[in-house]
Amino acid sequence: QSVLTQPPSVSAAPGQKVTISCSGSSSNIGNNYVSWYQQLPGTAPKLLIYDNNKRPSGIPDRFSGSKSGTSATLGITGLQTGDEADYYCGTWDSSLFWVFGGGTKLTVL
Amino acid sequence: EVQLVESGGGLVQPGGSLRLSCAASGFTFSSYWMSWVRQAPGKGLEWVANIKQDGSEKYYVDSVKGRFTISRDNAKNSLYLQMNSLRAEDTAVYYCARVVPYSSTFDYWGQGTLVTVSS
Repeated sequence: QSVLTQPPSVSAAPGQKVTISCSGSSSNIGNNYVSWYQQLPGTAPKLLIYDNNKRPSGIPDRFSGSKSGTSATLGITGLQTGDEADYYCGTWDSSLFWVFGGGTKLTVL
Repeated sequence: EVQLVESGGGLVQPGGSLRLSCAASGFTFSSYWMSWVRQAPGKGLEWVANIKQDGSEKYYVDSVKGRFTISRDNAKNSLYLQMNSLRAEDTAVYYCARVVPYSSTFDYWGQGTLVTVSS
């Protein structure tokens, strides 16, 4: 069982918007920045969002992040079939060092 | 261009040992904390270990403490993970990752190397 809780799966149609939640506690999300990673099938994770809502160079603005209290959310607009992947949230935990969510599989119908 | 290339994975019997390597290029390796993160087949990501820039601080997830040792050679731009007393539950793809300074973020990841522990 992961320290951070994500829904196992989400789905939406091409062009639509989807959000993925990540729930934690005061020992992790509540007091630290959250990152989001995209893992396309058969590949390594790739940084998508860092420091709650910042995008690395090259990440389109269709991807956004937010945090409120002990929860964080990843938003993806204008869904494309190429967005089908597993998405993970991650952060620092005061007791456990680095922790991740269990991952959310995005299906673009 | 930042590159991280892992090697050293393979099939090993329970109780055996393996040493993973990660060759870094495209950045000043000695300026960054580095990590190992693993992913069991069909499962999520699990942080394994971290090492400070000069190797003076090392941290491990509880499940590998006393069995795994993280190290680095800044002269060779290389990160290592010595894995002893391997168990079936250590079977995973092992990724090396660079840690963003003053952040809880892994900004670059290698392609991973598969470790299979089985008799």
